[in-house]
Amino acid sequence: AQSVAQPEDQVNVAEGNPLTVKCTYSVSGNPYLFWYVQYPNRGLQFLLKYITGDNLVKGSYGFEAEFNKSQTSFHLKKPSALVSDSALYFCAVRPPMGGAGSYQLTFGKGTKLSVIP
Amino acid sequence: DTEVTQTPKHLVMGMTNKKSLKCEQHMGHRAMYWYKQKAKKPPELMFVYSYEKLSINESVPSRFSPECPNSSLLNLHLHALQPEDSALYLCASSQDMASGDYEQYFGPGTRLTVT
Repeated sequence: AQSVAQPEDQVNVAEGNPLTVKCTYSVSGNPYLFWYVQYPNRGLQFLLKYITGDNLVKGSYGFEAEFNKSQTSFHLKKPSALVSDSALYFCAVRPPMGGAGSYQLTFGKGTKLSVIP
Repeated sequence: DTEVTQTPKHLVMGMTNKKSLKCEQHMGHRAMYWYKQKAKKPPELMFVYSYEKLSINESVPSRFSPECPNSSLLNLHLHALQPEDSALYLCASSQDMASGDYEQYFGPGTRLTVT
């Protein structure tokens, strides 16, 4: 079965500084990886995904993520944090098509990002 | 348009009530999902509909009854709920269920409180 780990419950960063939200995964085969953001009392909003190809994926709102197969990681990054980036961030993984449970999007527990003015 | 809409935004119901949550998407997606989310936790999958047929039921109690009237609509009928069922209920859709590379688009959720 696939799993996702987000080792930090909370990340604090000063506005204007670079931010990183960590994610590692475990899945058989080549995974499909996703990042979602959730603002208070709102649904999840898709940020970016890795399917194949270039290990650096660019997404919405200036976010990017780097896929590292050897470290089974998919960390979310942004060069310069904004106060409005403060939210709950979820990493998620799906197994390859046709694999067991391939319909299932498995989420990490979430990381709360606080950007301090 | 990548919007999934859900109504109502908030719902308070007693344990003997019957109510329904509604979800709609007009992206032509053929897979639709119901999730339950407790505060500060990740969403938990409840049901998956693929091409308007129930494909996945994650051992959800029968007091939750999903329905897919057509390819754009998804309902969740609630009856005899328990206080522990209070949560944010999220609807999502994706182009397909089987192809893992399609992202899911989520609605804003219905905040359900069972009294």
